[in-house]
Amino acid sequence: AQRVTQPEKLLSVFKGAPVELKCNYSYSGSPELFWYVQYSRQRLQLLLRHISRESIKGFTADLNKGETSFHLKKPFAQEEDSAMYYCALERNDYKLSFGAGTTVTVRA
Amino acid sequence: DAGITQSPRHKVTETGTPVTLRCHQTENHRYMYWYRQDPGHGLRLIHYSYGVKDTDKGEVSDGYSVSRSKTEDFLLTLESATSSQTSVYFCAIKSGSGGPSYEQYFGPGTRLTVT
Repeated sequence: AQRVTQPEKLLSVFKGAPVELKCNYSYSGSPELFWYVQYSRQRLQLLLRHISRESIKGFTADLNKGETSFHLKKPFAQEEDSAMYYCALERNDYKLSFGAGTTVTVRA
Repeated sequence: DAGITQSPRHKVTETGTPVTLRCHQTENHRYMYWYRQDPGHGLRLIHYSYGVKDTDKGEVSDGYSVSRSKTEDFLLTLESATSSQTSVYFCAIKSGSGGPSYEQYFGPGTRLTVT
């Protein structure tokens, strides 16, 4: 069975500091991994996906199959990055499994 | 927002009553999903649909049923609501042909309270 683990429930950083959200997964197949973000009072939306290897809003994430990780990073956090972040794994049957989420607070 | 709406947006109901939540989409997407969001659990898949009348269970399907009689509507029914089903429910669609390069788009959510 697949599993997505986000070890940090809460993460607080100062504006301009680097931020890293951890995500580890277990899945016997070939995983497709995503980061979704939910800003206050907004819908859940895709932040980035590993298959496209793009950078969105300054965030990047690298899939490390050896460590089964897909950590999300940003070198300089901004106040507008305060949100709930979910790591998700898509199985071969297009079902998504989500981690428990990490709430990020960026302080001025 | 990929044309996804949910109704109702908020509902308070009593234990033992049936409840139906509706997800409506306007862009003819094949794949539709129902999730529940709970603190400490993230989002968990309840049921999903890969076409009209084609549905399958997710990881937390007990106590829930779904129906999809037309492409645009995916209904989630709690046959007899319990307090453990108090949650925020999200509908989602998968764009494109459904492959991994296509993201899921989420509805605005329905906050359900079972008293």
